[in-house]
Amino acid sequence: GAGVSQSPSNKVTEKGKDVELRCDPISGHTALYWYRQRLGQGLEFLIYFQGNSAPDKSGLPSDRFSAERTGESVSTLTIQRTQQEDSAVYLCASSLATSSYNEQFFGPGTRLTVL
Amino acid sequence: EDKVVQSPLSLVVHEGDTVTLNCSYEVTNFRSLLWYKQEKKAPTFLFMLTSSGIEKKSGRLSSILDKKELFSILNITATQTGDSAVYLCAVSFMDSNYQLIWGAGTKLIIKP
Repeated sequence: GAGVSQSPSNKVTEKGKDVELRCDPISGHTALYWYRQRLGQGLEFLIYFQGNSAPDKSGLPSDRFSAERTGESVSTLTIQRTQQEDSAVYLCASSLATSSYNEQFFGPGTRLTVL
Repeated sequence: EDKVVQSPLSLVVHEGDTVTLNCSYEVTNFRSLLWYKQEKKAPTFLFMLTSSGIEKKSGRLSSILDKKELFSILNITATQTGDSAVYLCAVSFMDSNYQLIWGAGTKLIIKP
């Protein structure tokens, strides 16, 4: 079956512009995660969605970052007034319901470059 | 502060060599340790380790966890150019069913 998909694969924008990144999780996966990965660094947790529960937004670095999820499907990560330090690869992952830890399946990521 | 440290940061070897990658951690209420392989952008799952001393094996890759000394190693024998990737280590903890603490990764380059 289809894996996690993300779009666009690459995004170049100018400082101050807003960007929207999209993630389509694996069908049936109720849990969805967004991560940021700066060059040469590990994954930085941003936000977690689980079914209809309130999302865990504790990893969002500033109020310029927000994310939405439609039911148990598509999610969008929005970055407003982008800054150069927002340049990174943004990875989305999904997993089955997390009654205990479940393997996360990752999408190919969106490489964001802010000029 | 909880942290996961991987070493070395990068490694260059020749095809056929054996490599050992290290992951040490300091995490409150440890649950499990995971290894991922990241080629280009998407990490793919390799192993999840929860018990000390039990080796997990998949082909030429194997991994083991030492919960007393708080580290894990990932071994790759008879390396191939397709093993070139960043290898990421992450740790989960009891306080959360979904949060992971990630290491910065080891960049492995296999020369033909």
